[in-house]
Amino acid sequence: GAVVSQHPSWVICKSGTSVKIECRSLDFQATTMFWYRQFPKQSLMLMATSNEGSKATYEQGVEKDKFLINHASLTLSTLTVTSAHPEDSSFYICSARMAGGSYEQYFGPGTRLTVT
Amino acid sequence: DAKTTQPPSMDCAEGRAANLPCNHSTISGNEYVYWYRQIHSQGPQYIIHGLKNNETNEMASLIITEDRKSSTLILPHATLRDTAVYYCIVLQNQAGTALIFGKGTTLSVSS
Repeated sequence: GAVVSQHPSWVICKSGTSVKIECRSLDFQATTMFWYRQFPKQSLMLMATSNEGSKATYEQGVEKDKFLINHASLTLSTLTVTSAHPEDSSFYICSARMAGGSYEQYFGPGTRLTVT
Repeated sequence: DAKTTQPPSMDCAEGRAANLPCNHSTISGNEYVYWYRQIHSQGPQYIIHGLKNNETNEMASLIITEDRKSSTLILPHATLRDTAVYYCIVLQNQAGTALIFGKGTTLSVSS
């Protein structure tokens, strides 16, 4: 149980284009989902917290107009990187917390984004 | 949330117990201790968590000192597949609070 998937697992895009990453909780409902990014040899950095049906809360230094987050249902959140640049190349990881009770966060496998 | 301190790296022989320490001397009464690990190029995996009592599950044991200022994650019989970065995180169990990752401990298990 508690499986989180991400799609795509890797993507290469050209500078200036937009990329959408999907995060799905497969066997549970998630009231809260989180987005992280991880640069090589570094730890995970929290980008934003999203609650189903409301606007995401972004961490300081994360541009909300560049990283669009939509949490339209209890099983799906999307992160769109708009006008991507090479410095946006990173490993993007989502996590989800179950609705009610347990506070564990379950993580997706990550999406490797390379902007050329 | 309270800050944690972990050694940057540890080595362990396959089949032996791996004991990973974590210092969280500023932990408050309502903060839990969580352990996650990240195998290279994968998403983090939940291991175990606890408040003040020792905990055990199929993956590991968590020993929390009586004053709660430190804890130890024990992998009883380490295998090569346990090679990963291990993160100790303290967190209040409140809606909307996110795990904040430090640098963790890189555990290398060798045969």
